Amino acid sequence: RKEVEQDPGPFNVPEGATVAFNCTYSNSASQSFFWYRQDCRKEPKLLMSVYSSGNEDGRFTAQLNRASQYISLLIRDSKLSDSATYLCVVNIKNTGFQKLVFGTGTRLLVSP
Amino acid sequence: DTAVSQTPKYLVTQMGNDKSIKCEQNLGHDTMYWYKQDSKKFLKIMFSYNNKELIINETVPNRFSPKSPDKAHLNLHINSLELGDSAVYFCASSQLGGKETQYFGPGTRLLVL
Repeated sequence: RKEVEQDPGPFNVPEGATVAFNCTYSNSASQSFFWYRQDCRKEPKLLMSVYSSGNEDGRFTAQLNRASQYISLLIRDSKLSDSATYLCVVNIKNTGFQKLVFGTGTRLLVSP
Repeated sequence: DTAVSQTPKYLVTQMGNDKSIKCEQNLGHDTMYWYKQDSKKFLKIMFSYNNKELIINETVPNRFSPKSPDKAHLNLHINSLELGDSAVYFCASSQLGGKETQYFGPGTRLLVL
């Protein structure tokens, strides 16, 4: 099983739509969770951290389900500028050191 | 005011050559990383340095040698370049260890011919 798994998409949605991405992770000891955004030919940038109680940042809502080991990202009222690849990121402890493991990303295309 | 910068942005070279990529961060972070993103867009950690000390080496071929002259810089030297080394290499940094938010440089696109 991959350490972090995401549906690669693409998700094609019209402007104004609500879209949700899910991600599963394999290491039950993981403690930190993030969603990063990566635009075409650009570096990944932090979109939001994901907290146990769930958290919201404007149109974006992240949820964490530790029992099922999955993380979700909900985008409301999609904008053209939301078109990007969304990377699910989880920390893993390996040989005493922590590292972040990135999913392969879910591509979102928002059309007019 | 670039937080994490890398040079060069593009690198085109022949197989067998040796090349270096430089990375600098002005965030005052203690930990720096090198990642490789291949043609399938999979982003994978290669190395991690904490305060100039190597702490993660993800079974990368020893043709790749990172060097950290100080905690604000992490360079990557690649010997005997191979076709399979073609990828985008990202430098990143974080304030503390590997479970913190990481900030990425703009990437270096390496093409080996």
